[in-house]
Amino acid sequence: SAVISQKPSRDICQRGTSLTIQCQVDSQVTMMFWYRQQPGQSLTLIATANQGSEATYESGFVIDKFPISRPNLTFSTLTVSNMSPEDSSIYLCSASAGGTEGADTQYFGPGTRLTVL
Amino acid sequence: QQQVKQSPQSLIVQKGGISIINCAYENTAFDYFPWYQQFPGKGPALLIAIRPDVSEKKEGRFTISFNKSAKQFSLHIMDSQPGDSATYFCAAIYQGGKLIFGQGTELSVKP
Repeated sequence: SAVISQKPSRDICQRGTSLTIQCQVDSQVTMMFWYRQQPGQSLTLIATANQGSEATYESGFVIDKFPISRPNLTFSTLTVSNMSPEDSSIYLCSASAGGTEGADTQYFGPGTRLTVL
Repeated sequence: QQQVKQSPQSLIVQKGGISIINCAYENTAFDYFPWYQQFPGKGPALLIAIRPDVSEKKEGRFTISFNKSAKQFSLHIMDSQPGDSATYFCAAIYQGGKLIFGQGTELSVKP
């Protein structure tokens, strides 16, 4: 299995500012993803973080708002730009280890709880 | 078509009872169906998963039943314990690893 950590665990930010969330995996992984989970709700995929190339965004999410980096096989960042109160949510990173577990076995980080005032 | 419908939204079960959560999907391209357990303030944890060519998978007290023709699958938690109280999400994999989640079921096991 893969152990995933995220920084920060929570933050309170002002409207109009940006926050970068870091995701670190304890081993090299093939796939990394970013999800959003609004309080009491399900998870929604934001984008696939591709190593060495631009992220692939899902419908309703754009690069200007959620720029993503993935410089290597163990690390990714998600930036929430020009924040508004509607961006208040939990942001989660996930990873597929691949190998014997297969690309479909996906593990999640603990999440970053973001509050925008 | 990219939906997984989950029910019930909430469930209360007595200790030692059986908890049953149901999910349904439309897209036949889904090829992997995991269940996740999430405690408050934590990320989802993979509980058990199944592929559509298998009708049932059991791991300890947790069993997935899968009906490919009906496009339905369910999670059974046998001998439910208060420590099982959490939110459970069914999910489906599509397009090379992307997860689509059901709406979630908040399970409460009463002692």
